Amino acid sequence: KAGVTQTPRYLIKTRGQQVTLSCSPISGHRSVSWYQQTPGQGLQFLFEYFSETQRNKGNFPGRFSGRQFSNSRSEMNVSTLELGDSALYLCASSPRVDEKLFFGSGTQLSVL
Amino acid sequence: GENVEQHPSTLSVQEGDSAVIKCTYSDSASNYFPWYKQELGKGPQLIIDIRSNVGEKKDQRIAVTLNKTAKHFSLHITETQPEDSAVYFCAAGKGANNLFFGTGTRLTVIP
Repeated sequence: KAGVTQTPRYLIKTRGQQVTLSCSPISGHRSVSWYQQTPGQGLQFLFEYFSETQRNKGNFPGRFSGRQFSNSRSEMNVSTLELGDSALYLCASSPRVDEKLFFGSGTQLSVL
Repeated sequence: GENVEQHPSTLSVQEGDSAVIKCTYSDSASNYFPWYKQELGKGPQLIIDIRSNVGEKKDQRIAVTLNKTAKHFSLHITETQPEDSAVYFCAAGKGANNLFFGTGTRLTVIP
């Protein structure tokens, strides 16, 4: 069974731009969560989706948004990029809510 | 909110020795405690997890213990091998979908 797939793997943007990251969960998994990983702040929860509905949201500004499609694939969007948004963005999926999370390899975003 | 502290930040052991990583959490409502291993260029990989109704869980060379009263949990790796070298993260949460992570432990196993 294929794992969680995130695209693109690397991304370089400039301040003020916006970016969309994509995540395809493991086949059959319906819950998708997003995390931000930085050397300074570590792994921080962004949001969680199940059946196209956002169930939980972490403590991030409104510039960070996401959505989930009917096939469970998910996207997250960051608008008006800031230098501090440079990070590894990780997507994780689970079969249902409150089940083990399986992470993808992430999208490395660099904001210049 | 939840606050998870992890120690040590780095750990070096000889191959074949045991490694222990400890975490504390602050929210007594947390009931799920996974451990992840992250290798360079990869996402975190779940290696073992425990729920608050269990005190200990073992899977081959890896074990996790949980002390709910003291709000701490530990990862034990026995008979360490060079391929165990990685960064290990503990996490805690009210359920598996909104986790608070520790700051990580870089484990180096010296052949």
